[in-house]
Amino acid sequence: GDSVTQMEGPVTLSEEAFLTINCTYTATGYPSLFWYVQYPGEGLQLLLKATKADDKGSNKGFEATYRKETTSFHLEKGSVQVSDSAVYFCALTGGSQGNLIFGKGTKLSVKP
Amino acid sequence: SQTIHQWPATLVQPVGSPLSLECTVEGTSNPNLYWYRQAAGRGLQLLFYSVGIGQISSEVPQNLSASRPQDRQFILSSKKLLLSDSGFYLCAWSVGVGGGTDTQYFGPGTRLTVL
Repeated sequence: GDSVTQMEGPVTLSEEAFLTINCTYTATGYPSLFWYVQYPGEGLQLLLKATKADDKGSNKGFEATYRKETTSFHLEKGSVQVSDSAVYFCALTGGSQGNLIFGKGTKLSVKP
Repeated sequence: SQTIHQWPATLVQPVGSPLSLECTVEGTSNPNLYWYRQAAGRGLQLLFYSVGIGQISSEVPQNLSASRPQDRQFILSSKKLLLSDSGFYLCAWSVGVGGGTDTQYFGPGTRLTVL
């Protein structure tokens, strides 16, 4: 079945460092791909999405490109801030009910 | 604009007690509604899905049930809680026909601890 694999965390960076969180997927068909962010004690917020190959999703300085040839959707940010500390989830729409299938999440901690 | 509410925010319940978690959506009609559970070390798992009033699909056999008595209300229940029911319960909504492109929006979640 469809699945999402994310790099395991935690990831600890200094402020203004470059961020990459790897995400690869396995899917039949052509799913949409998403990154969600979960701040401590809160629900999930949609960060960005891409609906077809070569689309680039972007928001709040974060970017991810839908790469069909490598089945990847890596999340990047050029300069992280302490406020970016959170858990990041990669997901695709691929369940039998159109539901999201999530990776296990990557915890990011940014130190000042 | 659309908003989604969940309550309670936190809950501590003894084993064997009943459970009722509520989710409501405002600002949209006939949404698709979802219940997910986030358990420690296990990521997010879809529990139930609903496309309309009284229409519930279950993804995982378990100790829980769901109901949708109104268009924008989704309730998660249990008659007798187990320790393994502890976790963070998230409600989500989307609009569309389902399948590959619907974006889902999540509520703030309910943290359930079963002792």
